[in-house]
Amino acid sequence: DGGITQSPKYLFRKEGQNVTLSCEQNLNHDAMYWYRQDPGQGLRLIYYSQIVNDFQKGDIAEGYSVSREKKESFPLTVTSAQKNPTAFYLCASSISEGGVDTQYFGPGTRLTVL
Amino acid sequence: GESVGLHLPTLSVQEGDNSIINCAYSNSASDYFIWYKQESGKGPQFIIDIRSNMDKRQGQRVTVLLNKTVKHLSLQIAATQPGDSAVYFCAENSLGDFNKFYFGSGTKLNVKP
Repeated sequence: DGGITQSPKYLFRKEGQNVTLSCEQNLNHDAMYWYRQDPGQGLRLIYYSQIVNDFQKGDIAEGYSVSREKKESFPLTVTSAQKNPTAFYLCASSISEGGVDTQYFGPGTRLTVL
Repeated sequence: GESVGLHLPTLSVQEGDNSIINCAYSNSASDYFIWYKQESGKGPQFIIDIRSNMDKRQGQRVTVLLNKTVKHLSLQIAATQPGDSAVYFCAENSLGDFNKFYFGSGTKLNVKP
């Protein structure tokens, strides 16, 4: 996990509420990512950002929003429009080296909708 | 613990034995691959990577084999230890498509003492 922190570790949300998951990295990585992990499935990309003030939708962006105001930070907001938000959320960061772009992950946030 | 690992294929091995975990990838254009280890309730940890111009790469106690003909990747763990128990999954990427990784669902490795 070194260098990438996510908070909180566990988060509970009532239906209809927006919640924001924090992701910070001190690795000086340019790119950051948010993934969602559900039981028995591979990671699915929600949003990614290659540089500050720029971000792109991934495969399952609906019901989520992000911002990238600082290189170190990439918070994810799970809005009330996300119909099935209970999942394990993983943040990652990467830097391009030698022509490859290896991703390193944070410890994750478990979101449960009550 | 977390629910990661439910409904996944499981490999059970005896401590000290070698383990082989397999991954079939789908995109023939993929040319960079990573193996991750994920313990219950934690984020994935990078183990080893390989580019498509290689068919084998070795790390400490781990070896990755790549067979591009049949689009198959394997992770071999030598002298498996109880601390190796986790979910292992592969990720594939096309080097011309930065930021786009595709992840397998994983295999759960149980190491019996």
